[in-house]
Amino acid sequence: EPEVTQTPSHQVTQMGQEVILRCVPISNHLYFYWYRQILGQKVEFLVSFYNNEISEKSEIFDDQFSVERPDGSNFTLKIRSTKLEDSAMYFCASSEGLAANPQYFGPGTRLTVT
Amino acid sequence: AQSVTQPDIHITVSEGASLELRCNYSYGATPYLFWYVQSPGQGLQLLLKYFSGDTLVQGIKGFEAEFKRSQSSFNLRKPSVHWSDAAEYFCAVGAGYGGSQGNLIFGKGTKLSVKP
Repeated sequence: EPEVTQTPSHQVTQMGQEVILRCVPISNHLYFYWYRQILGQKVEFLVSFYNNEISEKSEIFDDQFSVERPDGSNFTLKIRSTKLEDSAMYFCASSEGLAANPQYFGPGTRLTVT
Repeated sequence: AQSVTQPDIHITVSEGASLELRCNYSYGATPYLFWYVQSPGQGLQLLLKYFSGDTLVQGIKGFEAEFKRSQSSFNLRKPSVHWSDAAEYFCAVGAGYGGSQGNLIFGKGTKLSVKP
């Protein structure tokens, strides 16, 4: 069964450094998403991406964040200058299309900012 | 604004007992509703979904959920819990419009513990 994959599983970085989190969505999916879950809190939407552009983003997704689909398979989330409060589990998700297609989540990348 | 409430933070049930996890949503239109499960250190696995039609939906691992529009609820049930069901369960609503599912809004989750 196809699944969403994410690398790395755990990333440790120093405050102020740039990080890139990588995701490979399910191959025939068209919509891609990033969510994050700070320890002990709810899963929060960051951004959705369709047709090579951002379709929706939350207030969390400020200028420090960017997303890209550099090729036909990868979907990346970049944080330009990490802050301590960026420490969280970051989930990538993808869906086949609109409405009646659920989002399938990857296993997550745990980002620790020191 | 759309929101999801899971009133129970932590529930403990005995193995073999029945289970009901509560979820209430606030949404202006017909919602897209989901239940996901997260085992420790794992990602989110889709259990079941509701878009339209039959209000009782079946999912994986023997779970089912019932959509009740009058109560704005989408409670998750299982008739007989197994020890492997111990995990955190998240209810979510699709915040899209115009046929788009949009981003998901999650509840805070209910942690399920199973006693032998």
